[in-house]
Amino acid sequence: DAKTTQPPSMDCAEGRAANLPCNHSTISGNEYVYWYRQIHSQGPQYIIHGLKNNETNEMASLIITEDRKSSTLILPHATLRDTAVYYCIVRYLTSGTYKYIFGTGTRLKVLA
Amino acid sequence: NAGVMQNPRHLVRRRGQEARLRCSPMKGHSHVYWYRQLPEEGLKFMVYLQKENIIDESGMPKERFSAEFPKEGPSILRIQQVVRGDSAAYFCASSRGGLDYEQYFGPGTRLTVT
Repeated sequence: DAKTTQPPSMDCAEGRAANLPCNHSTISGNEYVYWYRQIHSQGPQYIIHGLKNNETNEMASLIITEDRKSSTLILPHATLRDTAVYYCIVRYLTSGTYKYIFGTGTRLKVLA
Repeated sequence: NAGVMQNPRHLVRRRGQEARLRCSPMKGHSHVYWYRQLPEEGLKFMVYLQKENIIDESGMPKERFSAEFPKEGPSILRIQQVVRGDSAAYFCASSRGGLDYEQYFGPGTRLTVT
């Protein structure tokens, strides 16, 4: 019952930009899009989040389409240490409370 | 600035025993979330707590599982009479506000039931 759709896997050459897409066609109102990643079996690491405007921080950029039904996480210069599973998450309301639903994510492999 | 701390990192229990997992949120965070992750799967939400209150436990199994976040001390996820199917990684996250704020995750506790 994840509210986001992501490709199961992607490869990227080291030093190149990694563009990870996410569809969230049922997003509504003031719901933010969050991105996390999980390296090996470690705890997920927060990357970035956004509402309508594009966002950038020291780790990545987030591009959200004007209709907000999809977004792209961009790692500008991927390194081997960026190999991880990347999760796109939309908070949504269920049973009277908000929660995050993690899908199966995109397994990004950065190749030397 | 210490991050979210979880202990133990690895826990082995025999079937029928109790498992107690502890989570200390980041300093200044009063919201705690517990997730379970089975191998090759994404994280599944279990419960959301604030100090002394359970806000949402819709992801918790109806029996054997309980969680608390007392006024003093860490949050605890308790699993009574563990079964093999409880073997998983359990992650705790904390945030400084509710779900409008990013969550910071701990390293997880890997529970193995033999």
